[in-house]
Amino acid sequence: QQPVQSPQAVILREGEDAVINCSSSKALYSVHWYRQKHGEAPVFLMILLKGGEQKGHEKISASFNEKKQQSSLYLTASQLSYSGTYFCGTYGSGGYNKLIFGAGTRLAVHP
Amino acid sequence: GAGVSQSPSNKVTEKGKDVELRCDPISGHTALYWYRQRLGQGLEFLIYFQGNSAPDKSGLPSDRFSAERTGESVSTLTIQRTQQEDSAVYLCAGIAENTGELFFGEGSRLTVL
Repeated sequence: QQPVQSPQAVILREGEDAVINCSSSKALYSVHWYRQKHGEAPVFLMILLKGGEQKGHEKISASFNEKKQQSSLYLTASQLSYSGTYFCGTYGSGGYNKLIFGAGTRLAVHP
Repeated sequence: GAGVSQSPSNKVTEKGKDVELRCDPISGHTALYWYRQRLGQGLEFLIYFQGNSAPDKSGLPSDRFSAERTGESVSTLTIQRTQQEDSAVYLCAGIAENTGELFFGEGSRLTVL
C-alpha cells in the first residue's frame, strides 16, 4: 500500500524551512527518503529504522515515529540546490522486498 | 562500471511493436527493482528480483510486461505490443545490502507513437 505524502508541493524562499510528511496505514519497518531533480534519477538521502531515530544529511534531517506510522523530513535553511521532488518509500515488514514510494512532494526554492 | 547502466536511454517506437530495456546493475547488488515513472508522476513499482529467489512480479501492469534476470547480472524488461499508455521512463535500481540504499540508473525513456 502506497505511503501518503504531504504536502504535494512547497514553494520556499532561500533560507526558509520546510517539513515533508510521510504516513502509512500499515506497520512500518523502515522509511527511505530520496530526492529527484528534474530529468535525473532519484538519489538516496537517508533510511530510518524502527526506534524513532533521527538522521541528518547536510541540513536535511528526518524522524520516524513507528507508533504513528509516519516519518517527517525537515529541510532547514533551504538552498537552491534543495529543489526537486522528494519521495518517501516504505517496505512495511522486515527485510528487503517490495519498496513502495509515495506520490512525491515537489519542492521549489527561489532566491 | 561504477554505476547502474541502462539502455537504451531513449526509445521511440510505434504502437504494437515490442521493446526490450536493459539494466546492468552495480556488481554485488543482488537485489534489483524496476520502476515506471510517467511524466510528472511518482515511482510505480513493477518487479523485484532477489538473487535466485522467485521474483515479485506483483507490480507488472499486464501480461504484456515481463522481466528476466539471470543470477545477479543483467536484467531485461520486455514490453510486448506496446501501447501509448506505456510511454514513460523505466528506472531500474540495485540495493546495497549493507546500507539498504537503492542506486538508480538514469532510466530508459520510452515513447510510443
